[in-house]
Amino acid sequence: GENVEQHPSTLSVQEGDSAVIKCTYSDSASNYFPWYKQELGKGPQLIIDIRSNVGEKKDQRIAVTLNKTAKHFSLHITETQPEDSAVYFCAASRQSGGNEKLTFGTGTRLTIIP
Amino acid sequence: DGGITQSPKYLFRKEGQNVTLSCEQNLNHDAMYWYRQDPGQGLRLIYYSQIVNDFQKGDIAEGYSVSREKKESFPLTVTSAQKNPTAFYLCASSAPGQRQVEQYFGPGTRLTVT
Repeated sequence: GENVEQHPSTLSVQEGDSAVIKCTYSDSASNYFPWYKQELGKGPQLIIDIRSNVGEKKDQRIAVTLNKTAKHFSLHITETQPEDSAVYFCAASRQSGGNEKLTFGTGTRLTIIP
Repeated sequence: DGGITQSPKYLFRKEGQNVTLSCEQNLNHDAMYWYRQDPGQGLRLIYYSQIVNDFQKGDIAEGYSVSREKKESFPLTVTSAQKNPTAFYLCASSAPGQRQVEQYFGPGTRLTVT
């Protein structure tokens, strides 16, 4: 089955600086890679996702890059703000015939230092 | 308001008792999922259901049971056979076949068994 590794497990950055979180996956057939943000005591929320037919996707201060050959993908947050502090999870899935099981990474606790 | 509700937010039980966690969605989604979240381990899939009256085991189904009698409801029973039931439980739903397979998460139920 799929295995997703995520690094680092904790990350502290100064407000205004950039943050990068990296994930690797094992199943070369995986083709959907979402990123979720989880605030304390709440359920995760999708913040951005990418499919295997593109290499990069941006949404304002958030971007995701995908390297299919190396089987890794990364989340980039620029101009970080205090409200970016949360736990971030990457995930991978093989989208085919309605099978949408997501395999999650172990999470990164991001702290923005004011 | 459309969304996923989980109740209760906090649940306490004595060891040896079965307990049922509620998950309801009014998003008209076909698929529903149960995850368990432990510190440092990310989200692990317990059970999922892609259609009413059908469900499949996830990666850690032992000690759990589910039912899917209605599209909007997917209750999870934590049985006395589950060796380490104390955890944060998250329910999610998605609509396979549409634009994307984003999973929408509920707010979670924190179960403590003593």
